[in-house]
Amino acid sequence: RKEVEQDPGPFNVPEGATVAFNCTYSNSASQSFFWYRQDCRKEPKLLMSVYSSGNEDGRFTAQLNRASQYISLLIRDSKLSDSATYLCVVNGGGGSNYKLTFGKGTLLTVNP
Amino acid sequence: DAGVTQSPTHLIKTRGQQVTLRCSPISGHKSVSWYQQVLGQGPQFIFQYYEKEERGRGNFPDRFSARQFPNYSSELNVNALLLGDSALYLCASSLDGGRVGEAFFGQGTRLTVV
Repeated sequence: RKEVEQDPGPFNVPEGATVAFNCTYSNSASQSFFWYRQDCRKEPKLLMSVYSSGNEDGRFTAQLNRASQYISLLIRDSKLSDSATYLCVVNGGGGSNYKLTFGKGTLLTVNP
Repeated sequence: DAGVTQSPTHLIKTRGQQVTLRCSPISGHKSVSWYQQVLGQGPQFIFQYYEKEERGRGNFPDRFSARQFPNYSSELNVNALLLGDSALYLCASSLDGGRVGEAFFGQGTRLTVV
């Protein structure tokens, strides 16, 4: 089983749509969780951290379910500028606090 | 303020050669990590350095080595290059060794091995 697995995608949605990304992780001792965004041929950038209580940043909502080892990202009212690859990222657990473990990424294209 | 800077941005090498990639972290950041990203995959962890000491190493062969300097900049060296080493090499800077999730990435070095 891969350490971090994401929806394979790609996702193609119209502007204004709501889109959800799902992610599971295998290491139950993982401590920190993030969503990063990566534009084509650019570096990854931190989108938001994910907390057990759930957290929201504008149109973006992230949720964490530790019991199910499941992370989600919801984007409401999609914009053209949201087109990117979304990376689910996990940190820590089993003495590996020093590294980030990335999923493969899910490509989102928002169409006019 | 300058972000994370990496050099060179692009590089073409032949099999068997050696390469050195460089990274300067954000001012005040003491932790530097290196990641390899092949096309269609997420970044894979190679090394983390904090206060000039190696804190962790990913599942990469000994051909990969790195170091961190007193000014916290870092170099990644890859010896005996293979075609499969072609990838985007990313450097990530974070404030300290315990908050690596809040990492800032450089634009990367795109290495092509022919």
